[in-house]
Amino acid sequence: GNSVTQMEGPVTLSEEAFLTINCTYTATGYPSLFWYVQYPGEGLQLLLKATKADDKGSNKGFEATYRKETTSFHLEKGSVQVSDSAVYFCALSATMGGGTSYGKLTFGQGTILTVHP
Amino acid sequence: DGGITQSPKYLFRKEGQNVTLSCEQNLNHDAMYWYRQDPGQGLRLIYYSQIVNDFQKGDIAEGYSVSREKKESFPLTVTSAQKNPTAFYLCASSMGRDNYGYTFGSGTRLTVV
Repeated sequence: GNSVTQMEGPVTLSEEAFLTINCTYTATGYPSLFWYVQYPGEGLQLLLKATKADDKGSNKGFEATYRKETTSFHLEKGSVQVSDSAVYFCALSATMGGGTSYGKLTFGQGTILTVHP
Repeated sequence: DGGITQSPKYLFRKEGQNVTLSCEQNLNHDAMYWYRQDPGQGLRLIYYSQIVNDFQKGDIAEGYSVSREKKESFPLTVTSAQKNPTAFYLCASSMGRDNYGYTFGSGTRLTVV
């Protein structure tokens, strides 16, 4: 079945440091890939997505590239801010033709990021 | 503006009582989902529905029930059979297409007292 594996956290960085959160996946079919962010006490917000191999999703300085050969979708940001402190979830959506779970996401466990001034 | 609304934001329940969490969306989305999140944990799927009047169990459906009588609404009832109901509950909706993803509500924090 489908699965998503994220690097274990928590991740603690100083402001302006470079961020990488690793995400690898296993899926049948041709998945779409997503990163969601959750701020304390809130729901999840879509951060970025990529729907086919070699696509790069980007938003708010975050980037992730869909690498089919390594089945990865690592999240990166060149210079983090204190306001980036949150939980980050990698997810995939993949369906075999005619499947009953069309559009249902499989989530990773989430990675807690804390950025200090 | 279109969105998905969960209410209430905070809910307290006495042991042995059933309680219903509301989830409403005006995005015209076909699919809706309920997740449970415990402190420091990921998301666990409780129930989901891809069309009106139909729903499927997720990974942790025991002690919960749902209905989908209208496209816009997907209420979740936490029954007294749920042994450890204190958690953060998230509702989401989707177009039901692989490249779309979910829109999430802001969550309901349920505490059993």
